[in-house]
Amino acid sequence: DTAVSQTPKYLVTQMGNDKSIKCEQNLGHDTMYWYKQDSKKFLKIMFSYNNKELIINETVPNRFSPKSPDKAHLNLHINSLELGDSAVYFCASSQPGRGETQYFGPGTRLLVL
Amino acid sequence: AQSVTQLDSQVPVFEEAPVELRCNYSSSVSVYLFWYVQYPNQGLQLLLKYLSGSTLVKGINGFEAEFNKSQTSFHLRKPSVHISDTAEYFCAVSWSAGGQFYFGTGTSLTVIP
Repeated sequence: DTAVSQTPKYLVTQMGNDKSIKCEQNLGHDTMYWYKQDSKKFLKIMFSYNNKELIINETVPNRFSPKSPDKAHLNLHINSLELGDSAVYFCASSQPGRGETQYFGPGTRLLVL
Repeated sequence: AQSVTQLDSQVPVFEEAPVELRCNYSSSVSVYLFWYVQYPNQGLQLLLKYLSGSTLVKGINGFEAEFNKSQTSFHLRKPSVHISDTAEYFCAVSWSAGGQFYFGTGTSLTVIP
């Protein structure tokens, strides 16, 4: 009964390819997020959706496009992958509002060769 | 500007010794404070959080943290660490003006047998 799941867990691909990462949560939360964790473990928010509506869009290249088909899913599509995109990508979810705990998925380890 | 600082990037400590991981923030508005733990190759898991009320917060795995408004700190402590506590620890702040999380740069705790 995984709360926040991501697929795939590992992704190895060549520069220039397009790839997608999927995220699903079964917690009934309205808000979902994508974070990027670099090689130094630094976590940076990329996007946030509330009930399928984009509410946070940090300074992220427009090669990254989130899509939320419903409030339980938030997918991340990346076009024209670059070496610098290699990182761990985490999906998270929470109820909307201040002080709400965010629940994280296990991460997708992306390596661009 | 609002920020979160974890001064110690790496903390080695002997098994059964006490440990304190430091977190400071800067903010002109009320905050909500969180500590997350990330075990190797896993996602982030909530250890504890402070929303309001008692400034001493107890979390899972024997950890506790104290909110100090005057020093704008939220240090994490454990009186006796175990090998299994070896992990990356992240302090996070959510400001009352919005629900977005800001994470510190993380502290790598290594427990030495």
